[in-house]
Amino acid sequence: DQQVKQNSPSLSVQEGRISILNCDYTNSMFDYFLWYKKYPAEGPTFLISISSIKDKNEDGRFTVFLNKSAKHLSLHIVPSQPGDSAVYFCAASGAWTSYDKVIFGPGTSLSVIP
Amino acid sequence: NAGVTQTPKFRVLKTGQSMTLLCAQDMNHEYMYWYRQDPGMGLRLIHYSVGEGTTAKGEVPDGYNVSRLKKQNFLLGLESAAPSQTSVYFCASSYPRQGANTEAFFGQGTRLTVV
Repeated sequence: DQQVKQNSPSLSVQEGRISILNCDYTNSMFDYFLWYKKYPAEGPTFLISISSIKDKNEDGRFTVFLNKSAKHLSLHIVPSQPGDSAVYFCAASGAWTSYDKVIFGPGTSLSVIP
Repeated sequence: NAGVTQTPKFRVLKTGQSMTLLCAQDMNHEYMYWYRQDPGMGLRLIHYSVGEGTTAKGEVPDGYNVSRLKKQNFLLGLESAAPSQTSVYFCASSYPRQGANTEAFFGQGTRLTVV
């Protein structure tokens, strides 16, 4: 059973509007969460992260919200731009020093329509 | 600065053939990883290495072997390819997690088709 779930395989949003990508996890020991972005024919690139001691982390147009009691996090992109069209992977881990402990979700494909 | 480079970018194999995927990184990272990406499955770890001369199994290691003879290179081998190994393969590297330094750097991927 997947420990990190992204239940929406795809999402379409109009340019300028807010994109909200959701992620749920099952392991209560997870305390660090990451988002990676992937363009076609390229490798994933790191976008933003959050630790469990916070409930929000912001970086420019990107904000990640964490609800530990619900085991849920979300990535908000405001305003959405056509260049944001990509696959977004949510990832989670407990105590770790290397990525063998990081579990990736299946990804959500975001399309931003001009 | 090349980052993480994978060779080849595309390959078609017949069932039973063997091949080696090469990953090279120029960031002096201690840790290196091989993942496969399949539709609806996300990134699944095949094997990883925490230093030159060391390797360890990940989530889906069966049918693959790896070697890390040099710090900058991590090789993934398929001894007898099967159609189930049709996938996109990504190599990645990272430092050990230190404070806010948590980023892994990925190569551009190798699309492998086994027929």
